[in-house]
Amino acid sequence: EAGVTQFPSHSVIEKGQTVTLRCDPISGHDNLYWYRRVMGKEIKFLLHFVKESKQDESGMPNNRFLAERTGGTYSTLKVQPAELEDSGVYFCASSPIVGVAYFGPGTRLTVT
Amino acid sequence: GIQVEQSPPDLILQEGANSTLRCNFSDSVNNLQWFHQNPWGQLINLFYIPSGTKQNGRLSATTVATERYSLLYISSSQTTDSGVYFCAGDLRDDKIIFGKGTRLHILP
Repeated sequence: EAGVTQFPSHSVIEKGQTVTLRCDPISGHDNLYWYRRVMGKEIKFLLHFVKESKQDESGMPNNRFLAERTGGTYSTLKVQPAELEDSGVYFCASSPIVGVAYFGPGTRLTVT
Repeated sequence: GIQVEQSPPDLILQEGANSTLRCNFSDSVNNLQWFHQNPWGQLINLFYIPSGTKQNGRLSATTVATERYSLLYISSSQTTDSGVYFCAGDLRDDKIIFGKGTRLHILP
């Protein structure tokens, strides 16, 4: 089966610009998670979708970040406007049930 | 591509028991880490352990980089230890590769 895919693999933008990251989960997986790894290598949870609904968005750092999951399929994570500290690797995971997760390869975001 | 195998895939233990989780890589990786995904989906960093042994309370981890595996030990398990444990490493092109996880269920 096809795995979790993310697009783009790498994005370089200037401070103040907008970037939209996309995650395509494994077909049929209701649960979709976004995480990010910023400087220091610690991976932090951002939010959790169950189908199209946000189950938990407690990890979203501020209102510059907006995540959507249209129709319960793919998800987008928009950063507007991007700041330098947003640089890092953003990746998503999907699962058919809570407790199992398949991770995507990640999108490396560089804000200059 | 590089494969990451975690074993066992599922583990059910009684509270108080000890457990060993294993992570094997088919090739060299950098920055090996262990994470705990709690029942609410949050991924908690446990250890950053590219090599050697580290301990944090009831948890410890050992990575033998030359043999491309890492072990996570949980002693005196508690129900709050339940969840999925992932290992992950950085590949040479800076991508992160995760294992599929070990689902641990601790019974009271």
